[in-house]
This record gives sequence, C-alpha cells and structure tokens, in this order.
Amino acid sequence: QSVLTQPPSASGTPGQRVTISCSGSTSNIGRNIVNWYQHLPGTAPKLLMYYNNQRPFGVPDRFSASKSGTSASLAISGLQSEDEADYYCAVWDDNLHGLVFGGGTKLTVL
Amino acid sequence: VQLVESGGDLIQPGGSLRLSCAASEFIVGNNNMSWVRQAPGRGLEWVSVIHVDGTTDLADSVRGRLTIFRDTSKNTVYLQMNSLRAEDTAIYYCVGGVPPIHWGQGTLVTVSS
Repeated sequence: QSVLTQPPSASGTPGQRVTISCSGSTSNIGRNIVNWYQHLPGTAPKLLMYYNNQRPFGVPDRFSASKSGTSASLAISGLQSEDEADYYCAVWDDNLHGLVFGGGTKLTVL
Repeated sequence: VQLVESGGDLIQPGGSLRLSCAASEFIVGNNNMSWVRQAPGRGLEWVSVIHVDGTTDLADSVRGRLTIFRDTSKNTVYLQMNSLRAEDTAIYYCVGGVPPIHWGQGTLVTVSS
C-alpha cells in the first residue's frame, strides 16, 4: 500500500486528454514538490515533470502538471500511441524521511 | 551525462552484494544520489539517498541491511547490500541530480536459493 494513491490504470483514444491523479497527505504533497516519471518497459524511467509543474527540456508541452493541497495531477493532451507507459508521482515525505512513489498508473492508448 | 550501474547478480538469501554507480559528465559529490528499485511486476520503490552534504536516508524496508556511500575520487556511488532477502529481488536504478533527472539503465539483483 503506497503512501501516495494513484489510479492503477487510465486510458484514452488518440487525440484525447487524460489526467492521472496522485493523492497524498500534509507530510508529503502538502509540503514538498512533486515530480512525475514516465516508465516504458525495458527502459529507465524518465523525468517527465518536476517542481510540481515544470517540463524538462525535450518533454512536449502536451504534458502538464499541477498541485493543490495534498493532491497533484498529470495531464496529457493530444494523446499519442507512444504515450502508452506507466506513470509515477514522487515526492519527499517529511514523516518517513524518504522519497515516496505512487503505485503507478498504467496508461493505455486505445 | 551517464550513470552506469554494475554489481547485480544471483545471490543466495542471507548473502551480500555491492552495487556500483559510476558517473560521467556528472559530479556525484555535487548532487543528491539515490537508489530506486523495481521488483518483478511491481512499481518503483525508493531505497536510499546520499545528500550533497554526505548525510544519508534509507527506506524502512532496508534499514540496517543496506548502506549507501560514495567515493568522490572515483565519482561513484555504492549500495552495500547485506542479509539479502527474496523480496530484495529487483532491478536497481541509480538516480542523480536536483531534480532527480538522470537515471542509469539498472542492474538486476536476484535473491534466490
């Protein structure tokens, strides 16, 4: 049972907009910055969003993220087949004194 | 930037292993360096971090058995793994940077008799 709660799965058709939620608490999301990772099978995870809503160089602006209170969300607009992957939120937890990951959301492009 | 992990192996329960993460075009001593693992069929799990100031933090699941340390002269971070258990079986990734943007390709640790 992860400290951060994500839906186990999400889906959409090409061109659609999908959102993935990440619910935490005051000891993690409520106080610290949230990063998002994209993980394709057989590859290393890739930092997708950092500092709550910033995109690293090279990440398309179809990806966006936000944070409010103890929840965060990742949005993908103009869904493409190559977006099919696992997505994880991650944030430092002050009570656990460690980094925590969400359980991951498997995104399927129908 | 390149992070290259090594040291993964098949090891019996109770055994020890040391993982290495060698960095190039990146100074480990100037960055937070973490180990993150993924067990078969499971999600990502943070294991440990060594901060820029040299202090360390460990996940509860590995405290007392795993230790992270670095050798700045070799620009390498290590994960010393003792008293290994079947549940430690995973791909272990080295992660560095602020934010943690750089990931190695991972090294596989299998704990089994």
